[in-house]
Amino acid sequence: DIQMTQSPSSLSASVGDRVTIACRASQSIDSYLNWYQYRPGKAPKLLVYTASTLQSGVPSRFSGSGSGTHFTLTVSSLQPEDFATYYCQQSYTIPYTFGQGTKLEIE
Amino acid sequence: QLQLQESGPGLVKPSETLSLTCTVSGGSISSANYYWGWIRQPPGKGLEWIGNVFYSGTAYYNPSLKSRVTISVDTSKNHFSLSLSSVTATDAAVYYCARHGATRQQLDPWGQGTLVTVSS
Repeated sequence: DIQMTQSPSSLSASVGDRVTIACRASQSIDSYLNWYQYRPGKAPKLLVYTASTLQSGVPSRFSGSGSGTHFTLTVSSLQPEDFATYYCQQSYTIPYTFGQGTKLEIE
Repeated sequence: QLQLQESGPGLVKPSETLSLTCTVSGGSISSANYYWGWIRQPPGKGLEWIGNVFYSGTAYYNPSLKSRVTISVDTSKNHFSLSLSSVTATDAAVYYCARHGATRQQLDPWGQGTLVTVSS
């Protein structure tokens, strides 16, 4: 299985901050990398797919980059609703696997 | 707007079979552009992809669960189902259903999830 490792596991930040979350794959996954946001009590939400394509309806303050084994998700100016847990996921090969998550908390 | 909703027993006995259904509304499950899948998250642990199914019935599974899992589709009812046999405490989790893009396999949208407890 392809292992996905996110860093950091948790992150404290303030409204208006710029934050970046990293995701590393144990082998090359081309650009088959997706990012999701999870808020308790809500369905997980797709933010970015194929590494850098913003899902329709997702605010432009979210952006993704990377290819191969190293990827990042950046939020350019944090809003109160962005404090959540973020997961990366590879869809290059079965079994599709997820990172362990990055919990973004209010500082 | 496409919506997915999981349903099924919230409590399953050890060694029995877990059965869940995901009902799709606002769109047809019989699309060549999508697969339909299941993901789970045990308490305090990460997300695990279980498998997915095409409207034709072709299914793909996580090898770690393949011997116990079946995902099927009923196009007449616009829903798909998960069956997991011989459950143990390690199968307790929130189970999500989600639509997979056919080419890039991104998951969108997801259902709200349903908690399944394994206990006698």
